[in-house]
Amino acid sequence: GESVGLHLPTLSVQEGDNSIINCAYSNSASDYFIWYKQESGKGPQFIIDIRSNMDKRQGQRVTVLLNKTVKHLSLQIAATQPGDSAVYFCAENMPYNNNDMRFGAGTRLTVKP
Amino acid sequence: NAGVTQTPKFQVLKTGQSMTLQCAQDMNHEYMSWYRQDPGMGLRLIHYSVGAGITDQGEVPNGYNVSRSTTEDFPLRLLSAAPSQTSVYFCASSYSISLEAFFGQGTRLTVV
Repeated sequence: GESVGLHLPTLSVQEGDNSIINCAYSNSASDYFIWYKQESGKGPQFIIDIRSNMDKRQGQRVTVLLNKTVKHLSLQIAATQPGDSAVYFCAENMPYNNNDMRFGAGTRLTVKP
Repeated sequence: NAGVTQTPKFQVLKTGQSMTLQCAQDMNHEYMSWYRQDPGMGLRLIHYSVGAGITDQGEVPNGYNVSRSTTEDFPLRLLSAAPSQTSVYFCASSYSISLEAFFGQGTRLTVV
């Protein structure tokens, strides 16, 4: 079936470097995407979202890029800090399934000092 | 403002026991949902509710029941626990079904 997936299950970066976390989606009807951050022992926390009428959206130190042609989503974190170490999930809405959100498996980001 | 509160944080059950996971939110959100999180599988939707008195099944509803008698509360019931239900459970709420969700801290459930 259609699902949200991630290319890289783990990512390790040096403090101060930029991080890029990727997500592939296969539901061409999805028109809303969210990135969540989950720290150890906590629930997921909203980072940034993007609708399909946009291809880029920026927040504080984070940028989400959406490429609808290849069904690809990425989260860029600038000047990665130790506090960014977490698991990052992308989620897409499912317009033909009550519009609920489906989550990918997650990518674990580790920031080395 | 407490946000989404889940209780208990940890629970061990024997196979066949029943229990209720509690979830409460104080943000006046209409939409509430329950997810389970298993290693390598992300979050999967169990049940959700778009308002008091309305519930519906998600991706993995078997073995779970829910009810929504008030806007604030959305308990998840396991009628007869099975080892396959060992997981971390998250409750979430949002203004709408497809908007930013606020998650609770999770309940780690082990069924032996």
